[in-house]
Amino acid sequence: NAGVTQTPKFQVLKTGQSMTLQCAQDMNHNSMYWYRQDPGMGLRLIYYSASEGTTDKGEVPNGYNVSRLNKREFSLRLESAAPSQTSVYFCASRFPGIRSGNTIYFGEGSWLTVV
Amino acid sequence: AQKVTQAQTEISVVEKEDVTLDCVYETRDTTYYLFWYKQPPSGELVFLIRRNSFDEQNEISGRYSWNFQKSTSSFNFTITASQVVDSAVYFCALSERSGNTPLVFGKGTRLSVIA
Repeated sequence: NAGVTQTPKFQVLKTGQSMTLQCAQDMNHNSMYWYRQDPGMGLRLIYYSASEGTTDKGEVPNGYNVSRLNKREFSLRLESAAPSQTSVYFCASRFPGIRSGNTIYFGEGSWLTVV
Repeated sequence: AQKVTQAQTEISVVEKEDVTLDCVYETRDTTYYLFWYKQPPSGELVFLIRRNSFDEQNEISGRYSWNFQKSTSSFNFTITASQVVDSAVYFCALSERSGNTPLVFGKGTRLSVIA
């Protein structure tokens, strides 16, 4: 059981380049999330998808777009990368509800550097 | 709005000391979920515990224990007889009643255990 898988793990981009971070989960979870982690800032929500076909902005959505391709996959796109987007990105998923306890499971992270 | 505060940015202890990591939360919901995650130097986020708002029982798991007090809106985490392997960043997080509400994280506490 792979859980949450995100690719790539490491990426260096030049300012202005575009790229897509891929995320897939095999736990049949309804909800998926993209967070970014910066030193001293904790994890901040970029976008989330409560269910297939829906997406919503989080705390720091500017400069990003997302696609919930199907129930398994939730991608994050940087259309024109900026140095301020240098960060560690985490994809996560969960099956919401009291029975599951709303526990969220994370991928291993993607280290992105924009130069 | 929901908020999580981890006032301790960094803590250093000597091996075998006990250490408590503080977490204070804010929410308007009467039903909510609290979490602790560990992020070791390797970078992944490891789920430690989930606590429901309607269950104020404290929990112990080996050297780890959690003290949930609704009266003070706190969910503190204690490591007894700390070990070098406990060195990590620890995050407290909150999710409100709705299963689709994303987790809100504190900024984390970096724990260094010195041999």
